[in-house]
Amino acid sequence: RKEVEQDPGPFNVPEGATVAFNCTYSNSASQSFFWYRQDCRKEPKLLMSVYSSGNEDGRFTAQLNRASQYISLLIRDSKLSDSATYLCAVNWNSGNTPLVFGKGTRLSVIA
Amino acid sequence: GAVVSQHPSRVICKSGTSVKIECRSLDFQATTMFWYRQFPKKSLMLMATSNEGSKATYEQGVEKDKFLINHASLTLSTLTVTSAHPEDSSFYICSALDGRSGNTIYFGEGSWLTVV
Repeated sequence: RKEVEQDPGPFNVPEGATVAFNCTYSNSASQSFFWYRQDCRKEPKLLMSVYSSGNEDGRFTAQLNRASQYISLLIRDSKLSDSATYLCAVNWNSGNTPLVFGKGTRLSVIA
Repeated sequence: GAVVSQHPSRVICKSGTSVKIECRSLDFQATTMFWYRQFPKKSLMLMATSNEGSKATYEQGVEKDKFLINHASLTLSTLTVTSAHPEDSSFYICSALDGRSGNTIYFGEGSWLTVV
């Protein structure tokens, strides 16, 4: 069975903290990787794609380690507005295949 | 703005009735759409893959006769929950594959279904 595993949290951190999420995937042939953010009772929204070379977008940095089959998301200088559930998603193949999601990690940033 | 629109956003229905949820791609043609279900504090679980002009592919454990999927056009897929029961109450989310941009997947806003 193809799986995507995440630490469910919750992570409760103070404003300004750095927080890291990790996600492992079971299918070594997976093609593409993503981090989504989901607010309560809303649809998931794409936060960033994850590339082997790593990528950064402001306070957010994503990394992919194919050898160990995990992806990570680092949030620096946490804001109250970062409070949400963060889901990693993996596409097993390129082409018309669905994303497989982890269960999500809940983050609460506290003032 | 949204590129995938889902309707209705919230619906309450009586047990035994059927409910139809629509998923539309707004500015691109989506030959493939995906339907997910999410229970409170749980992950998104793929229910089925909807392909325009052909039968949907259902995930293991999802009853195809209960969750009817129709993808009759390149911009519209519908999910009909038939003979709804309270345990079908959930958040249903569609997503559509945009082949123009490296197979980017966009999500609809989701539909909250409550069966009473």
